[in-house]
Amino acid sequence: DTGVSQDPRHKITKRGQNVTFRCDPISEHNRLYWYRQTLGQGPEFLTYFQNEAQLEKSRLLSDRFSAERPKGSFSTLEIQRTEQGDSAMYLCASSLMGGQPQHFGDGTRLSIL
Amino acid sequence: DAKTTQPNSMESNEEEPVHLPCNHSTISGTDYIHWYRQLPSQGPEYVIHGLTSNVNNRMASLAIAEDRKSSTLILHRATLRDAAVYYCILRDNSGGSNYKLTFGKGTLLTVNP
Repeated sequence: DTGVSQDPRHKITKRGQNVTFRCDPISEHNRLYWYRQTLGQGPEFLTYFQNEAQLEKSRLLSDRFSAERPKGSFSTLEIQRTEQGDSAMYLCASSLMGGQPQHFGDGTRLSIL
Repeated sequence: DAKTTQPNSMESNEEEPVHLPCNHSTISGTDYIHWYRQLPSQGPEYVIHGLTSNVNNRMASLAIAEDRKSSTLILHRATLRDAAVYYCILRDNSGGSNYKLTFGKGTLLTVNP
């Protein structure tokens, strides 16, 4: 399968802990996106990369969140000092270029105890 | 981003056609109409997109009103695997704003056997 893969699929952690998620996009895609989805809502845009450059960040992305895409391949999303409100599905998507359809992974579900 | 309006839910019977409506009265000339769907416990999946003319692909058809203020996603023969949340999204392909998808709550399609 050469789709977008995300790891882990589920993460349970205590409030205040740091967590890191990984996304491996489709190999030839130079754009990579992160979204967050809470129960009953559609996904909300967090940030995106073109190759290794982070070009846009949503206001939803507080200072506790950081995303990287070293070498323009996989990406990581880190949340520091997790809070209850961070509980959500974190989705990664990639596309060949802007305007092209985005291909999503199946997400990482984060639960904060 | 221009806003779309979709019914919260719709129901269909297996092997019958399904017409999923979307209103977008404030659509601009550079907005493409995109449809994604999200099956349970999966990330969103691209279905189809168009600008002015009706579009067909292996998954569905997209019928766009002449004034572009509404569109309809057509599943020609619903199967149980088509049960999902369907999102209608306007995406401006001009300039630098084509990087993100703005999801609403979508339409939850139930397919009865």
